[in-house]
Amino acid sequence: QKEVEQNSGPLSVPEGAIASLNCTYSDRVSQSFFWYRQYSGKSPELIMSIYSNGDKEDGRFTAQLNKASQYVSLLIRDSQPSDSATYLCAVNSLYNQGGKLIFGQGTELSVKP
Amino acid sequence: EAQVTQNPRYLITVTGKKLTVTCSQNMNHEYMSWYRQDPGLGLRQIYYSMNVEVTDKGDVPEGYKVSRKEKRNFPLILESPSPNQTSLYFCASRSSSGANVLTFGAGSRLTVL
Repeated sequence: QKEVEQNSGPLSVPEGAIASLNCTYSDRVSQSFFWYRQYSGKSPELIMSIYSNGDKEDGRFTAQLNKASQYVSLLIRDSQPSDSATYLCAVNSLYNQGGKLIFGQGTELSVKP
Repeated sequence: EAQVTQNPRYLITVTGKKLTVTCSQNMNHEYMSWYRQDPGLGLRQIYYSMNVEVTDKGDVPEGYKVSRKEKRNFPLILESPSPNQTSLYFCASRSSSGANVLTFGAGSRLTVL
């Protein structure tokens, strides 16, 4: 089982819709959870971090964490064509190699005008 | 501006010709790391460093060396590059305290012929 799993996509949504991106992880002691956005050929950039169960909202983005189910998701409301990118889920455990961040393979999102 | 700077951004080289990819950060971060990114394989950690003179292997260290003589610099050395090291490389850093958020460099695209 991969440590962090995401559907590779592509996930296609129309402009203005809600995009829902999902991620599961295998290490129960994971403590920190991140969503990075990566445009083609560019470096990953952090868009959300979440550390406790529940929802965290930042503008059009909402991260949801359920540690019991080992599941983290990202909702993008009012999706825009500029949101088209690959979204990387990353999970960290302080007990793993000095707090190594483990990345999923990413979900490619395409927002159609 | 707080940033991680990598050089070169693009490089085409030949098998066996030693090369170094430099990485420098201006945020006084203790932790630095190198990743490679390949289609279908996601981001994989090559080496990381918890602080000056402290380095350790990541998931795919074969064929690479690193050093951490100064806090701000973490060069990646390919002693004898091979075609399977053709990849997109990212350097990243973070503070050892606080939110554990990685900041990435712009990436270095390496082609080994």
